[in-house]
Amino acid sequence: EPEVTQTPSHQVTQMGQEVILRCVPISNHLYFYWYRQILGQKVEFLVSFYNNEISEKSEIFDDQFSVERPDGSNFTLKIRSTKLEDSAMYFCASNGADNEQFFGPGTRLTVL
Amino acid sequence: TQLLEQSPQFLSIQEGENLTVYCNSSSVFSSLQWYRQEPGEGPVLLVTVVTGGEVKKLKRLTFQFGDARKDSSLHITAAQPGDTGLYLCAGVRPIPTFGRGTSLIVHP
Repeated sequence: EPEVTQTPSHQVTQMGQEVILRCVPISNHLYFYWYRQILGQKVEFLVSFYNNEISEKSEIFDDQFSVERPDGSNFTLKIRSTKLEDSAMYFCASNGADNEQFFGPGTRLTVL
Repeated sequence: TQLLEQSPQFLSIQEGENLTVYCNSSSVFSSLQWYRQEPGEGPVLLVTVVTGGEVKKLKRLTFQFGDARKDSSLHITAAQPGDTGLYLCAGVRPIPTFGRGTSLIVHP
């Protein structure tokens, strides 16, 4: 069964460092998303991506964040200068035209 | 900010009992999705409801979308321990807004 994969599963970084979280969406999907979930809190939408550009983004997705689809398979989220409050689970998701959204297993980001 | 309120926040029941969890908002959504999330994993989509008043069934789970497309309910019949998990609703408009979830524990 096709699935969304994410790497790494856990990333530990120092405050102020750049991190890149990687995702491989399901191969025939066209819509890609990043969400975050701070421990004990709700899942929050960050950004959606379609046709090689951002289609929607939330207030959380400020200038410190960027997304890229560098090739035909990867979808990345970059945080330029991490802050303590960026510590969270980051989920990638993708869907095809039927809007059935599949989530990846998440990357746990810990900022020290 | 669109708020999606889920209730109850926690539910602990015995195997075989029925239960209903609710998802309420003051906003109208183009669609509403229900997910289940296990600890340390990503949410898994259970169902999407689109039309006001729509009812969808998935084995022992019944999902209903309110007539005004502002609220939804999930009813589980004869709950089993395997139903244990965090149930999330997400309103789509088109940015998905998630509720905090209902944490369900079904005791054998």
